Amino acid sequence: GEEVAQTPKHLVRGEGQKAKLYCAPIKGHSYVFWYQQVLKNEFKFLISFQNENVFDETGMPKERFSAKCLPNSPCSLEIQATKLEDSAVYFCASSQSHSGANVLTFGAGSRLTVL
Amino acid sequence: GENVEQHPSTLSVQEGDSAVIKCTYSDSASNYFPWYKQELGKRPQLIIDIRSNVGEKKDQRIAVTLNKTAKHFSLHITETQPEDSAVYFCAARRDDKIIFGKGTRLHILP
Repeated sequence: GEEVAQTPKHLVRGEGQKAKLYCAPIKGHSYVFWYQQVLKNEFKFLISFQNENVFDETGMPKERFSAKCLPNSPCSLEIQATKLEDSAVYFCASSQSHSGANVLTFGAGSRLTVL
Repeated sequence: GENVEQHPSTLSVQEGDSAVIKCTYSDSASNYFPWYKQELGKRPQLIIDIRSNVGEKKDQRIAVTLNKTAKHFSLHITETQPEDSAVYFCAARRDDKIIFGKGTRLHILP
């Protein structure tokens, strides 16, 4: 498609529950990025993929966060045992290639609320 | 790794005046610098970008300047209008990673 599609738009979880978010990049885009945006508006980089391969995961809190991009499936970001501080909007973005000039297009975001 | 500093965090300008937002970056290998506008509750939208081989780029009321030597770049909005009110993010990209500044909340005063 021509848009980065993220689901669900809003997810509510009790503390300790699992949360899973999905992202379908623009068709033909090889790179997928996940960012976390909390109330302060700052975008925190989490992880990036080149097709189904992890490209950079330096931002991932590895003990509870995991992500995948499998062939012919939406990419996913999963949080095990959610904590209150995981409440944020999670944005997925895709780009055609990793070379510097390629535009990053964002999805509409998935708002996670942990109660 | 790359670090992007953005100033100011909040900016209020009178409608019709100009607004300037500044960013600095640390990684001299960064070669692409986009600016995103995010309205309340919406996704970031690219408004202008500049590559490292260009010093300035303009698109109607919006311009971006880049000083590679000093490692800083700026967004200039002229003749500001109410619809320019939003949070603006600068970013620096080097191949595999794009790092964002912390954002500037721009208020356009009537």
